[in-house]
Amino acid sequence: EDKVVQSPLSLVVHEGDTVTLNCSYEVTNFRSLLWYKQEKKAPTFLFMLTSSGIEKKSGRLSSILDKKELSSILNITATQTGDSAIYLCAVSNAGKSTFGDGTTLTVKP
Amino acid sequence: EAGVAQSPRYKIIEKRQSVAFWCNPISGHATLYWYQQILGQGPKLLIQFQNNGVVDDSQLPKDRFSAERLKGVDSTLKIQPAKLEDSAVYLCASSYVAGGLDEQFFGPGTRLTVL
Repeated sequence: EDKVVQSPLSLVVHEGDTVTLNCSYEVTNFRSLLWYKQEKKAPTFLFMLTSSGIEKKSGRLSSILDKKELSSILNITATQTGDSAIYLCAVSNAGKSTFGDGTTLTVKP
Repeated sequence: EAGVAQSPRYKIIEKRQSVAFWCNPISGHATLYWYQQILGQGPKLLIQFQNNGVVDDSQLPKDRFSAERLKGVDSTLKIQPAKLEDSAVYLCASSYVAGGLDEQFFGPGTRLTVL
């Protein structure tokens, strides 16, 4: 059975801090790893990673995949209160996507 | 571009009643997904359609849940009869391609409460 584990489960930081969220997986026929941000509503897409070692970057967010370690990290620098959300990691094979339970990030002013 | 539409947004029913949710994906997206998200957990795939065919329904409780995607466009998910443990947010998502090589676009979800 495919499995995705995220850590930590929750995190509380202050504005300006840098955070690193982790995602590890066990999946057959890996195709991609995706990060989503979920606020009060539906998840919204952040990154899709397919190749090991290539960093994807968008503003203060960045992510990288390590296929040897079967893991990925999501970094957020200079955090803002608007970054408070649940960050979901999903791993896809040819057939379907399996989501982790997410990391709840709270950024305090 | 219009997003994924879902209705209703909220539904409260009593156990053993039936309920149906509707989803209209983004135009041109061949793949449609239904997820169940229980509070504190990540979305769990219930069923995935490619056009009007089922790709994966291995985690769909088929004794009480059913889904269809007639004409390969919009879709309906039904629960009959509902149980207390079905209380969750039901998310519909769509993607242009399948095979794990495309992001999924999610609708706003339907929050179901079973009393």
